[in-house]
Amino acid sequence: KQEVTQIPAALSVPEGENLVLNCSFTDSAIYNLQWFRQDPGKGLTSLLLIQSSQREQTSGRLNASLDKSSGRSTLYIAASQPGDSATYLCAVPPANAGGTSYGKLTFGQGTILTVHP
Amino acid sequence: KAGVTQTPRYLIKTRGQQVTLSCSPISGHRSVSWYQQTPGQGLQFLFEYFSETQRNKGNFPGRFSGRQFSNSRSEMNVSTLELGDSALYLCASSSGRPRAPLHFGNGTRLTVT
Repeated sequence: KQEVTQIPAALSVPEGENLVLNCSFTDSAIYNLQWFRQDPGKGLTSLLLIQSSQREQTSGRLNASLDKSSGRSTLYIAASQPGDSATYLCAVPPANAGGTSYGKLTFGQGTILTVHP
Repeated sequence: KAGVTQTPRYLIKTRGQQVTLSCSPISGHRSVSWYQQTPGQGLQFLFEYFSETQRNKGNFPGRFSGRQFSNSRSEMNVSTLELGDSALYLCASSSGRPRAPLHFGNGTRLTVT
């Protein structure tokens, strides 16, 4: 059974700092990994999707990496801003997923990020 | 392009009642998945529908059921509500193709009293 762990559980940084959020998964036979952001009381916003054949994906100040062999992914946020404050979640599909498991993701518990001015 | 729309945003129900939640996916998306989010358990997969057929199911009791219509809109029903069913219910849509990302709605907050 796939398990996803995110470290740290919470992080508080001053504005302008670069930071790294970590995600680890137990079974490396995944075909992609997705990072999401969730604001309080809201749904999830997709940030980055990394396919198993990729090592990195970038979007603006965000960079996500994937190392399947070690079962790890990191989300790097450059020059953090107060508007980045949110919960960040990573999610993976079932290991060795066939053609019918695309909507079924296993989520980590999330990292609560606070960026203070 | 409109995102995933969930209605209603908030619901308050009493134990024993039943409830129906609605989800309209992004135009052109044929897959709809449902998740339950609670502080203790986090996000847990309920089920997924693709082209009106349930394609995947999580480990929830039979009180939780769903369906999908020909226009890809989906409904989720919970019967005989329990206090523990209080949660944020999230719907996600995707094209249903391999490796496609999921896009989530803002959820329905269900409170059972």
